[in-house]
Amino acid sequence: DAEITQSPRHKITETGRQVTLACHQTWNHNNMFWYRQDLGHGLRLIHYSYGVQDTNKGEVSDGYSVSRSNTEDLPLTLESAASSQTSVYFCASSENLNTEAFFGQGTRLTVV
Amino acid sequence: AQSVAQPEDQVNVAEGNPLTVKCTYSVSGNPYLFWYVQYPNRGLQFLLKYITGDNLVKGSYGFEAEFNKSQTSFHLKKPSALVSDSALYFCAVRDGNGNNRLAFGKGNQVVVIP
Repeated sequence: DAEITQSPRHKITETGRQVTLACHQTWNHNNMFWYRQDLGHGLRLIHYSYGVQDTNKGEVSDGYSVSRSNTEDLPLTLESAASSQTSVYFCASSENLNTEAFFGQGTRLTVV
Repeated sequence: AQSVAQPEDQVNVAEGNPLTVKCTYSVSGNPYLFWYVQYPNRGLQFLLKYITGDNLVKGSYGFEAEFNKSQTSFHLKKPSALVSDSALYFCAVRDGNGNNRLAFGKGNQVVVIP
């Protein structure tokens, strides 16, 4: 069965370090998204991609970057981790405008 | 830009009673509306969607939602709540003007009391 997987599931890192969170989907979806989930804020969009070599900023993109070298993967990089980036991160993919998005199980990131 | 409001932080309901989770939205074009559920330490699971057609849509686990264009609402309902329905519920909207971004509300914690 097709799926979307995130790794690692849990990560503790120090302030200032570069961190990369992986997202891999086997749905062959062109559209992929990264969200962060924080209490009181729901899910906020960080970056998204509509296809290979396409990346776009979401509403909370500062301090984050993504790259899309193939259809299956959209890694999220924190250039220099900050305590404010402690959160749960979700990756999602969707086929088109009419279809639901499928979510990974999330990565809990703690920046100390 | 599209946005969603879920006005209640938590909804408490007795088991067997009707459950309603409220959602209002704002878009510039036609709305594409979704409900998702999140159980503890899990990702979001799709429940149902409204794209076009009948205003009442039925989804997974006995849930349904009614699209009301004049009130810009898409409330989630279940006739008889189960304890296992206790979870976090998110409403989301895409703007039909071609923007594939999905905007989420803050979420509603539903607590079903045995």
